[in-house]
Amino acid sequence: QQQVKQSPQSLIVQKGGISIINCAYENTAFDYFPWYQQFPGKGPALLIAIRPDVSEKKEGRFTISFNKSAKQFSLHIMDSQPGDSATYFCAAKLWNYGGSQGNLIFGKGTKLSVKP
Amino acid sequence: EADIYQTPRYLVIGTGKKITLECSQTMGHDKMYWYQQDPGMELHLIHYSYGVNSTEKGDLSSESTVSRIRTEHFPLTLESARPSHTSQYLCASSGDRAFNSPLHFGNGTRLTVT
Repeated sequence: QQQVKQSPQSLIVQKGGISIINCAYENTAFDYFPWYQQFPGKGPALLIAIRPDVSEKKEGRFTISFNKSAKQFSLHIMDSQPGDSATYFCAAKLWNYGGSQGNLIFGKGTKLSVKP
Repeated sequence: EADIYQTPRYLVIGTGKKITLECSQTMGHDKMYWYQQDPGMELHLIHYSYGVNSTEKGDLSSESTVSRIRTEHFPLTLESARPSHTSQYLCASSGDRAFNSPLHFGNGTRLTVT
């Protein structure tokens, strides 16, 4: 069974702090790694994604760090804000499979709470 | 914001009833998906469709069925609901083949079978 293991399950961070969520995968054929953000009562939405030809991708306060040899990738949220409080899912897929994200393998999610 | 709609948002129904969860998208996407999401658990793909009259089962075995008669509509049906079907069901769609073609999710239907 292909798996993506995500930790921690929940995370509490003070406003202005750094939130770090980690994921590990098993299948070395995975070549696309997105992160989705889900607010209560809403569906997940794509936050940021990376392919393994780069070790880091940054978009605003959100950064993905990718370690291909360790088969790990992480999401860093700098200057965390209460509005970042949500559940975050990492995922992985075989990019060439169907050319879409329809067969993503998701982690179990991390519930982030940013305290004011 | 993605234009994908799910109804109802919440459904409480008795065991043995037939239910249909509706999903519609206005983006003209060929690919549509149904995911099942339980608290503290990952999203599991239960059905997907790559176009009209095309449906496939996903990674998680499900007693539900789907149909895709129109591009914009992808309903999910349970012929006889059971308490084990209690979960949140998320519908999603995506565009074709582009690298930056993300999944667009609806807001989900939370189903409770009593």
